[in-house]
Amino acid sequence: GAVVSQHPSWVICKSGTSVKIECRSLDFQATTMFWYRQFPKQSLMLMATSNEGSKATYEQGVEKDKFLINHASLTLSTLTVTSAHPEDSSFYICSARGRLAGGPNTQYFGPGTRLTVL
Amino acid sequence: DAKTTQPNSMESNEEEPVHLPCNHSTISGTDYIHWYRQLPSQGPEYVIHGLTSNVNNRMASLAIAEDRKSSTLILHRATLRDAAVYYCILGLEAQKLVFGQGTRLTINP
Repeated sequence: GAVVSQHPSWVICKSGTSVKIECRSLDFQATTMFWYRQFPKQSLMLMATSNEGSKATYEQGVEKDKFLINHASLTLSTLTVTSAHPEDSSFYICSARGRLAGGPNTQYFGPGTRLTVL
Repeated sequence: DAKTTQPNSMESNEEEPVHLPCNHSTISGTDYIHWYRQLPSQGPEYVIHGLTSNVNNRMASLAIAEDRKSSTLILHRATLRDAAVYYCILGLEAQKLVFGQGTRLTINP
């Protein structure tokens, strides 16, 4: 149980285009979802926290107009990277926390999406 | 956020126990101690968490010092599949996780 999926697993796009990444909790209701970014050989950096039905809370230094997060249902959150540039190339990882899945202290992570902007 | 200190890297042999230390001298009374691990090119995986008492699950054991200023993740019998970066993270109940640099564990055959 407690599986989180991401789609796509990798994407290559041209500079200036927008890319949408989906994060789904497959077997539990995710009351809270988190989005992280990870550059090569670095640790995960939290970008934002989103609760179902409300606006995302962004970490300091993360541009909310560039990284659009929508958490419209208890099983789906999306991250849209708008007007992507090469410096946005990174490994994007979502995680979810739910009422039944391991209690409030456990986050379940997706497999990640590797974004390459040419 | 309370900080943790972990060794950058550790090495162990297959089928031997591994003890991964974590120092958290500024931990508050309500901070939980979480351990996650990340295999190459994958998202992190939950390992274990605890508050005050030692904890065991099918993956590992968590030994928490009496003063809670340090903890140790114990893998009882390491396999090659345990090679990963292990993160020790402090956090209040149901709050966000802030990842540090973690410990890169290498398992030798």
